[in-house]
Amino acid sequence: DIVMTQSPDSLAVSLGERATINCKSSQSVLYSSNNKNYLAWYQQKPGQPPKLLIYWASTRESGVPDRFSGSGSGTDFTLTISSLQAEDVAVYYCQQYYNIPFTFGPGTKVDIK
Amino acid sequence: EVQLLESGGGLVQPGGSLRLSCAASGFTFSSYAMSWVRQAPGKGLEWVSGFSGDGGSTYYADSVKGRFTISRDNSKNTLYLQMNSLRAEDTAVYYCAKGNNVGGTSYSAFDYWGQGTLVTVSS
Repeated sequence: DIVMTQSPDSLAVSLGERATINCKSSQSVLYSSNNKNYLAWYQQKPGQPPKLLIYWASTRESGVPDRFSGSGSGTDFTLTISSLQAEDVAVYYCQQYYNIPFTFGPGTKVDIK
Repeated sequence: EVQLLESGGGLVQPGGSLRLSCAASGFTFSSYAMSWVRQAPGKGLEWVSGFSGDGGSTYYADSVKGRFTISRDNSKNTLYLQMNSLRAEDTAVYYCAKGNNVGGTSYSAFDYWGQGTLVTVSS
């Protein structure tokens, strides 16, 4: 199984400041045939299901604010919130869909400082 | 508007069975892969099982293989999860989730999720 790790476990950022979350996979999730990274990012607020933010490592889902961006390739990925808003307080998960079983990172909790 | 509505959760004794359902609407159900993902209380997300959009393939996490069976009825736009030999560690909110890759490949992110149904395994 591909093991996903995230860092940090939690972070507190001032409103309007940048938040950066890292995700690492135990093996590459880059499929050479199509040059796509099978990596997604989700946001989950308390009492709600997860919401897809980013797929193919850097493609923003429709309707997601452009302050959210994804980057990285192979085994190392980053989710950046360029200017944190109050509504961004949530837990963020990365997920690989390169291999079955699909696996999620343990989550990173983002709060307001 | 895409909607996924899970049902069938509840309290069950260890060793018991439950069948979860996920009624889908707002998209061509047969064209997309679907999965079940669970979340134990206060914990992270765990993918449980998936079904390709073309209906040809099913997949399971090792933790449920041999105990859970995923199925789909494209005529009813419904996904199912039959859960047998339930254990305390199966206690979780179970979400159904839609793959975002038209064409039915299972290897896709999940763009829509239901609100979840709680399964509690306890004596």
